[in-house]
Amino acid sequence: GAVVSQHPSWVICKSGTSVKIECRSLDFQATTMFWYRQFPKQSLMLMATSNEGSKATYEQGVEKDKFLINHASLTLSTLTVTSAHPEDSSFYICSAPAPSPSNSPLHFGNGTRLTVT
Amino acid sequence: AQSVSQHNHHVILSEAASLELGCNYSYGGTVNLFWYVQYPGQHLQLLLKYFSGDPLVKGIKGFEAEFIKSKFSFNLRKPSVQWSDTAEYFCAVNLGFQKLVFGTGTRLLVSP
Repeated sequence: GAVVSQHPSWVICKSGTSVKIECRSLDFQATTMFWYRQFPKQSLMLMATSNEGSKATYEQGVEKDKFLINHASLTLSTLTVTSAHPEDSSFYICSAPAPSPSNSPLHFGNGTRLTVT
Repeated sequence: AQSVSQHNHHVILSEAASLELGCNYSYGGTVNLFWYVQYPGQHLQLLLKYFSGDPLVKGIKGFEAEFIKSKFSFNLRKPSVQWSDTAEYFCAVNLGFQKLVFGTGTRLLVSP
């Protein structure tokens, strides 16, 4: 079935550095991908919608200059956390709309746990 | 703003006990409702969904959920849980094109 691959699964970086997270749709094309973030004991919050060939759409309160999204192909979207700080430590999950027919509107990656020291 | 509330953050049950996880949403229009499950170390998986029709929805692994429009609720139930049901459960609402709003999740621990 349709699978979304996310890499890396975990990363530790120093404050001030940038980290790139990849999200790939395997065996299907995704013109749209979604990036979510989950803080401990909180819900998954939609950060942005990644659109192939055009600019990403960010949710209110999400800094687009800090969370750079690039959707360069129909199977790859990347999220770059620039100048990361400890408060950016979180669990980041990407998802892509399932190709029809499917019983789920979205397929999810396994997530990336980011720890900024 | 639209929101989804899950009342229980942590639930601990013994095997064979019955389960009910609460989910309420705040949105007055037409909604599609989902329950997702995340087993340890795995990605989110769809348990069941409601789009229209029979408000009692049956999903995988013996789970079911009932949509009660007047109460804005979509509670998840299972008559008899198993140890393998230990996971985190998320209720979600689809308000538009594949844009999901999630609840805070309920962590279920089933003791053998």
